[in-house]
Amino acid sequence: SQQGEEDPQALSIQEGENATMNCSYKTSINNLQWYRQNSGRGLVHLILIRSNEREKHSGRLRVTLDTSKKSSSLLITASRAADTASYFCATDAPAGNKLTFGGGTRVLVKP
Amino acid sequence: KAGVTQTPRYLIKTRGQQVTLSCSPISGHRSVSWYQQTPGQGLQFLFEYFSETQRNKGNFPGRFSGRQFSNSRSEMNVSTLELGDSALYLCASTPGVTGANVLTFGAGSRLTVL
Repeated sequence: SQQGEEDPQALSIQEGENATMNCSYKTSINNLQWYRQNSGRGLVHLILIRSNEREKHSGRLRVTLDTSKKSSSLLITASRAADTASYFCATDAPAGNKLTFGGGTRVLVKP
Repeated sequence: KAGVTQTPRYLIKTRGQQVTLSCSPISGHRSVSWYQQTPGQGLQFLFEYFSETQRNKGNFPGRFSGRQFSNSRSEMNVSTLELGDSALYLCASTPGVTGANVLTFGAGSRLTVL
């Protein structure tokens, strides 16, 4: 079963626009991470936010975390065609040594 | 540093056969995790190995097994293949000790079962 549920499932935007996707999860976490996957390849780690943090930035990425609502959002600003990919949130629960991934958001950035 | 290497990248098997997939982690990483990715079920955790011991296991049948060698390389095996085992199998490594569990993934092994 998946810990995280992401929405929307798919997103289509023009280059230069911002893309926002959301992740909800069910149990308490140590941290939440976002990964990107290009077309059937391996996942690439983007950013990690700890449970005691509310917002984090990395380049054009902004991640928020609301532990009271058990939700996170990923914002990609000024999107580029190269941002076309699937984006996954992953939660790291206190009890185990595994990440549990959400279903992903497919983002298409049109030039 | 070389990345996580998975072999083979693509393979085709028929129902009832078995398959072995290999994963070489980043040098110095002692933890290797395996995930199955399918369009219907998404990314599902299979198991995690650390220092040659299975440390964590997902909810997969016993047909799915793995092991880790003393050099941290890992293999997973699927016996008696079923059509539903067609998937992208992803391996990821981490240092495996203290700190956040940030995974570095390989490119995956795409298995097609006919």
